Amino acid sequence: SQTIHQWPATLVQPVGSPLSLECTVEGTSNPNLYWYRQAAGRGLQLLFYSVGIGQISSEVPQNLSASRPQDRQFILSSKKLLLSDSGFYLCAWISGVRNSPLHFGNGTRLTVT
Amino acid sequence: GDSVTQMEGPVTLSEEAFLTINCTYTATGYPSLFWYVQYPGEGLQLLLKATKADDKGSNKGFEATYRKETTSFHLEKGSVQVSDSAVYFCALSENNQGGKLIFGQGTELSVKP
Repeated sequence: SQTIHQWPATLVQPVGSPLSLECTVEGTSNPNLYWYRQAAGRGLQLLFYSVGIGQISSEVPQNLSASRPQDRQFILSSKKLLLSDSGFYLCAWISGVRNSPLHFGNGTRLTVT
Repeated sequence: GDSVTQMEGPVTLSEEAFLTINCTYTATGYPSLFWYVQYPGEGLQLLLKATKADDKGSNKGFEATYRKETTSFHLEKGSVQVSDSAVYFCALSENNQGGKLIFGQGTELSVKP
C-alpha cells in the first residue's frame, strides 16, 4: 500500500534561519507531488507542485522553494525564514488515475520566532 | 478565478444532532468537488467526493450532493458523534488538474457528549 511520510512533525526556528522539510512517498511511482500551507485560521494554499524529477511549478511568489531530487522525494526549503512563514505545511501526492484523490501527509507545524 | 466559500465556524453541536456545513463554489469549468476532514494534529483525509452534477458523495454517514444550479456542495450528517469533532474542508479541482485543489477556509466542528 502507498504511504506518505513527512518530517519533522513540529519545528521552531528563528527568523533568518534556513528551512528544510522533507516528504517521501512509498508504494507508488511517478506520483504528482504537492506542498500546501495552512496559515492560522485560514484554508490551505497550494505552494508548489511537481509532475516529475526536477520539475517544479510555483503557485505563489514567496520566500520558499521546492525541489524534487528523486521520484518519490519532495523537499521544501528556505534560505531565510520570515515570521510570515509560520504555519502548517502539508505534503500530498496523487496518482495518474483519473479522479483519484489527493493523499496528505500528517503535516509539519512550523513556528518562526 | 475559482474559489470555495464555507460557512464560518466553530460549529458546536450535541451528540446525535443533525449537521449541515454549507459550501458554495465559483468555477469557470466543470469541477470535481471534495470534502476533506482534518482531525486534531493530523493531515487531511478525503471524506467524500463528487465528480459531476447531481452526484452524491457519501462516507461514514456523511453526505453531500453536487448542485450545479446553486453551485453548492453542502455536507450533512443525520446524527453526529463526539468522534466527528474535526475541521472540515470543502475543495474543488478543475477537471484534469489532479491535486491542484482550491480549498475553503475550513469549518471547525465540536461535538459535545
